[in-house]
Amino acid sequence: GEDVEQSLFLSVREGDSSVINCTYTDSSSTYLYWYKQEPGAGLQLLTYIFSNMDMKQDQRLTVLLNKKDKHLSLRIADTQTGDSAIYFCAEIHSSASKIIFGSGTRLSIRP
Amino acid sequence: DAGVIQSPRHEVTEMGQEVTLRCKPISGHDYLFWYRQTMMRGLELLIYFNNNVPIDDSGMPEDRFSAKMPNASFSTLKIQPSEPRDSAVYFCASSPTRGQQNSPLHFGNGTRLTVT
Repeated sequence: GEDVEQSLFLSVREGDSSVINCTYTDSSSTYLYWYKQEPGAGLQLLTYIFSNMDMKQDQRLTVLLNKKDKHLSLRIADTQTGDSAIYFCAEIHSSASKIIFGSGTRLSIRP
Repeated sequence: DAGVIQSPRHEVTEMGQEVTLRCKPISGHDYLFWYRQTMMRGLELLIYFNNNVPIDDSGMPEDRFSAKMPNASFSTLKIQPSEPRDSAVYFCASSPTRGQQNSPLHFGNGTRLTVT
């Protein structure tokens, strides 16, 4: 079935790296995404990765994809207070146009 | 580009009343999606349209919910009658192409609905 799972909370110290993990079930997913939701706002696309890639780096963001284990992670280097948000992992369901979202991981930054 | 515009931002109503949420997608986007977000259930897809035609409404919780897209620049989500358990943030999103690829969903800022 369709399922994308994430842990609900993550707390990191300012300046440290944050690693947010996600597992998915659809092995035929072609694209996987990370969205960021700030308070009172909608979701915004942070980054995405093709299923034939293992890693993608974009400035402070690094996405790692393990297709064998159906595991996706987002690493944020040098985490700042502005990174406080909910981060959603998402996959395209292979049989339709719709995106399946995880429950979101709330990232909080401590001084 | 003004982005996806939703109105109202907040809606407070009493149980049994009709509620209408509105969405203006980004011009030129062929796909429009309605999502509901709650603490308990996370982000749920309710329905999506392609070229104004409903494609998949399997996420619509009950007959009390209905959605329309009379033209390419406007969609409504209606709840009649509303119930307290409908309280949530409702998001509209649009996308230019099928299957997303590198054309992501563009979300509005949502409508926070409270039914008392």
